Amino acid sequence: DAKTTQPNSMESNEEEPVHLPCNHSTISGTDYIHWYRQLPSQGPEYVIHGLTSNVNNRMASLAIAEDRKSSTLILHRATLRDAAVYYCILRPDDNNDMRFGAGTRLTVKP
Amino acid sequence: EAGVAQSPRYKIIEKRQSVAFWCNPISGHATLYWYQQILGQGPKLLIQFQNNGVVDDSQLPKDRFSAERLKGVDSTLKIQPAKLEDSAVYLCASSLGGQDNEKLFFGSGTQLSVL
Repeated sequence: DAKTTQPNSMESNEEEPVHLPCNHSTISGTDYIHWYRQLPSQGPEYVIHGLTSNVNNRMASLAIAEDRKSSTLILHRATLRDAAVYYCILRPDDNNDMRFGAGTRLTVKP
Repeated sequence: EAGVAQSPRYKIIEKRQSVAFWCNPISGHATLYWYQQILGQGPKLLIQFQNNGVVDDSQLPKDRFSAERLKGVDSTLKIQPAKLEDSAVYLCASSLGGQDNEKLFFGSGTQLSVL
């Protein structure tokens, strides 16, 4: 299985941008890059996903490297409610198999 | 729109006892997943259903874990007998089914403590 590598933890100040990195050097051509986040005492929630091009939605932006071996989740203005564990997941195109790693714990300071 | 419902929210049992968890997915969602999340780790897929059929149960410890989705809607996950290492949060998720890379919607989970 293709795997991802993320920092264990990151800190950010409120209202500043946050860049959460993810390395996936063994990604295959048909793997999509998905991001989910998990707030305390809740199940994970979908954030964003992409294949090759950068993606934007109301929650975040996803920047994908040209060689697809890394990606970055961008929160444009962090709020206290963005404090969560963020998971970067590679998902094969032909099935809905979701394999979570340990993720990055984001702390947002007021 | 109602989310994925799970019950109970918390459960405490002694080792060797049995326990069951219940999940009601989002209406119309054909695919249902059970995940196990041990403290400090990401969720691990236990079993995936498409309607009432099993798609993937390769990581389900079948000697003690069982799951069913008889009518293709609600699902139950059972552990019999429980071990100390089964202490974890059990998450249920659902998705529409039939589409590539579709979003998963998770419930809040059942936190199991085995003493």
